[in-house]
Amino acid sequence: EAGVAQSPRYKIIEKRQSVAFWCNPISGHATLYWYQQILGQGPKLLIQFQNNGVVDDSQLPKDRFSAERLKGVDSTLKIQPAKLEDSAVYLCASSLVPGGYEQYFGPGTRLTVT
Amino acid sequence: GNSVTQMEGPVTLSEEAFLTINCTYTATGYPSLFWYVQYPGEGLQLLLKATKADDKGSNKGFEATYRKETTSFHLEKGSVQVSDSAVYFCALSVHSGGYQKVTFGTGTKLQVIP
Repeated sequence: EAGVAQSPRYKIIEKRQSVAFWCNPISGHATLYWYQQILGQGPKLLIQFQNNGVVDDSQLPKDRFSAERLKGVDSTLKIQPAKLEDSAVYLCASSLVPGGYEQYFGPGTRLTVT
Repeated sequence: GNSVTQMEGPVTLSEEAFLTINCTYTATGYPSLFWYVQYPGEGLQLLLKATKADDKGSNKGFEATYRKETTSFHLEKGSVQVSDSAVYFCALSVHSGGYQKVTFGTGTKLQVIP
């Protein structure tokens, strides 16, 4: 079974630029999560999708971050414009059942904003 | 709100030493508890879980018991190996508004030396 795929693995941008990350969850997984992991901290949930609907985006900075999950499969997370404090690893995860206990994580995208 | 507190790292042990990583939590309702592990350069993966009080989760020689009276879920292993070097995250999941809401701790880095 293929795992959660993410791209790119690394990205370096200047502040005020925009960036997009892509995630393809495990086939058949209904729930998709985007997390932000700042160095030395645990993952912080940004947004959670159930199929293609949003169930939790309470910690998403909506003035600059946006996410979509078209057709309930893959997803993109965008930052526009980026700030220095957005430097982090962005993790995508998926789970089989709605809010399923076990989340499967992708390798993450390491973003550096200069 | 929900929160997870882990002991600060890094934890450095010699091979075959006994490991304990402390984890305590606060949560509304009845959470499920998890330990995730992140090996260098890889995404997080589920190590073990417990879904109700007094349950013991175990995997790869690691164990953790869900202690409701002390709101704890400490991770233990009797004899660590160099290959166990990783960052360990304690997490909880509670049912909220029709979906599972997950909260992670800040992680504890374990380094095992030969």
